[in-house]
Amino acid sequence: GQNIDQPTEMTATEGAIVQINCTYQTSGFNGLFWYQQHAGEAPTFLSYNVLDGLEEKGRFSSFLSRSKGYSYLLLKELQMKDSASYLCAVMSNDYKLSFGAGTTVTVRA
Amino acid sequence: DSGVTQTPKHLITATGQRVTLRCSPRSGDLSVYWYQQSLDQGLQFLIQYYNGEERAKGNILERFSAQQFPDLHSELNLSSLELGDSALYFCASSPGLAGGKGTDTQYFGPGTRLTVL
Repeated sequence: GQNIDQPTEMTATEGAIVQINCTYQTSGFNGLFWYQQHAGEAPTFLSYNVLDGLEEKGRFSSFLSRSKGYSYLLLKELQMKDSASYLCAVMSNDYKLSFGAGTTVTVRA
Repeated sequence: DSGVTQTPKHLITATGQRVTLRCSPRSGDLSVYWYQQSLDQGLQFLIQYYNGEERAKGNILERFSAQQFPDLHSELNLSSLELGDSALYFCASSPGLAGGKGTDTQYFGPGTRLTVL
């Protein structure tokens, strides 16, 4: 089975940087996804990592270390609209996607 | 807008009833996935269909069933509803690389909020 851990909540100031960590234990690994979800809305795709290292996409970057079972999502130059839940999801060998409980990020002015 | 549509947006029903949720995938996508999101459980994978056939099963109750039709839209049927079935039900779709067993990105619809009274 899957065990995915991420912090429940984080708060940061507009313009700052926030790093959301995700650790996982999984039976087989076929990549790690990050999704953003605003309250009551659909999750939207942010990033996908399958190889170790950092993937940068504008203000958002995602890092993966497969040997450590660890990923982080880095949000730079925070904006008020970044206030949302961020979901870490791991795809296992059977191609099922398992989601963490999500990290609620609150951006303060 | 992901291109995935779901109807209805909201559904209120009573315990013991049966409901059908509908999903139309993005144009060209062959895989459809169903997820349940409740406050205490997070986002849980229920079932995946690829080109009309069941491809993977998650934590789906026996009271729930799904199918994907030749035009690729999908329906999730929930029967003998209980209070605990109240949740947001999301459908997602993906191109269906490698016959539905690939790592392609899933795009989520807006969800159906089910309330069981």
